[in-house]
Amino acid sequence: AQTVTQSQPEMSVQEAETVTLSCTYDTSESDYYLFWYKQPPSRQMILVIRQEAYKQQNATENRFSVNFQKAAKSFSLKISDSQLGDAAMYFCARSIQGAQKLVFGQGTRLTINP
Amino acid sequence: DAGVIQSPRHEVTEMGQEVTLRCKPISGHDYLFWYRQTMMRGLELLIYFNNNVPIDDSGMPEDRFSAKMPNASFSTLKIQPSEPRDSAVYFCASRGGRRSEKLFFGSGTQLSVL
Repeated sequence: AQTVTQSQPEMSVQEAETVTLSCTYDTSESDYYLFWYKQPPSRQMILVIRQEAYKQQNATENRFSVNFQKAAKSFSLKISDSQLGDAAMYFCARSIQGAQKLVFGQGTRLTINP
Repeated sequence: DAGVIQSPRHEVTEMGQEVTLRCKPISGHDYLFWYRQTMMRGLELLIYFNNNVPIDDSGMPEDRFSAKMPNASFSTLKIQPSEPRDSAVYFCASRGGRRSEKLFFGSGTQLSVL
């Protein structure tokens, strides 16, 4: 099965603190791409960060970073110094080689407490 | 560029009626995707096109759904006849030619079938 699993339906964090969202996936491929997308209440899907599976170095975008564990098929998202604007649904996604498409997890709803 | 443009933003219709959702991808993008988002099933890929040709429609739920891409700047997703279980947010997304590139999503169409 080509599944992406986000085991945390909901998470909350205090403003300015750090939170980690979990994602695991199933694949037999060696070359693929992983993504985290953010969906705020506006409904717009926004790319947060992207990781290429052949790269060992974890991707970082400002306050957002990932912990990519290829052998464990794990791709967690860490948000540092959480801000109120980070409140949203977060979706983990994986590309399917050759098929050019993305498969998404069920999402994690992140709440930021002021 | 204005991004991926979808219309309408909201659609309310009665069961049995025909519904047409529209999408204008970003100019120059080779790939166009139609996704459906529901609480129960999350984000599901319905169909995607490459250079206006449908490549994979395995996610289309049944014959009531059809999608076309008559040219590089326009696509439609049609449901005929519509049913209450089709109520969902339908997203269109486009992307350039490389698998590593990010998907650009439209704002989605919220469809309610009464």
